[in-house]
Amino acid sequence: DVKVTQSSRYLVKRTGEKVFLECVQDMDHENMFWYRQDPGLGLRLIYFSYDVKMKEKGDIPEGYSVSREKKERFSLILESASTNQTSMYLCASRGGQGHGYTFGSGTRLTVV
Amino acid sequence: AQSVTQLGSHVSVSEGALVLLRCNYSSSVPPYLFWYVQYPNQGLQLLLKYTSAATLVKGINGFEAEFKKSETSFHLTKPSAHMSDAAEYFCAVSGGSNDYKLSFGAGTTVTVRA
Repeated sequence: DVKVTQSSRYLVKRTGEKVFLECVQDMDHENMFWYRQDPGLGLRLIYFSYDVKMKEKGDIPEGYSVSREKKERFSLILESASTNQTSMYLCASRGGQGHGYTFGSGTRLTVV
Repeated sequence: AQSVTQLGSHVSVSEGALVLLRCNYSSSVPPYLFWYVQYPNQGLQLLLKYTSAATLVKGINGFEAEFKKSETSFHLTKPSAHMSDAAEYFCAVSGGSNDYKLSFGAGTTVTVRA
């Protein structure tokens, strides 16, 4: 089975800090994604990457950036964390056309 | 652009009763459709997917869904609910084979009464 591993389950950061969320997949998938999940809003796409060093903005990219230097790793960066970025962050990878995504267990980020 | 609407944010069923979760989609191209389940404090797990083959799709844990193009629907059903089905369920759509992105509905939380 594909595994998508997010480095932290829970994080607490202070307003203004630079925050790195890490995601690693072990099945050589080309496509990787970062979503945030908020009650009543479902999952909203922040950024995605369809190949190494390639990235595209999703629906809500403001305040975020990403890095994909290696195929297996996709990092989400909060340049200056704010309280409205308190959320559950989910990473996913996709194994080709018509395949569903495989999700990590999520990182619950609290910004205080 | 593609989008989905899930009707009902909460559904409560008795153990052994039918589970019916509604999803309607909007897509300008033939869609691919997915249902995911999320248990507390976990990521999302794929239940089933429709990718333009059979319109009745069977998934894991006894769930199935039927693609109805005329109604733009992809409702999820399970004939007999089990306590372990208590979770949040998400419908998602992508714009066919050339679309990288999944768009999700807001989710439906299912509770199962003993």
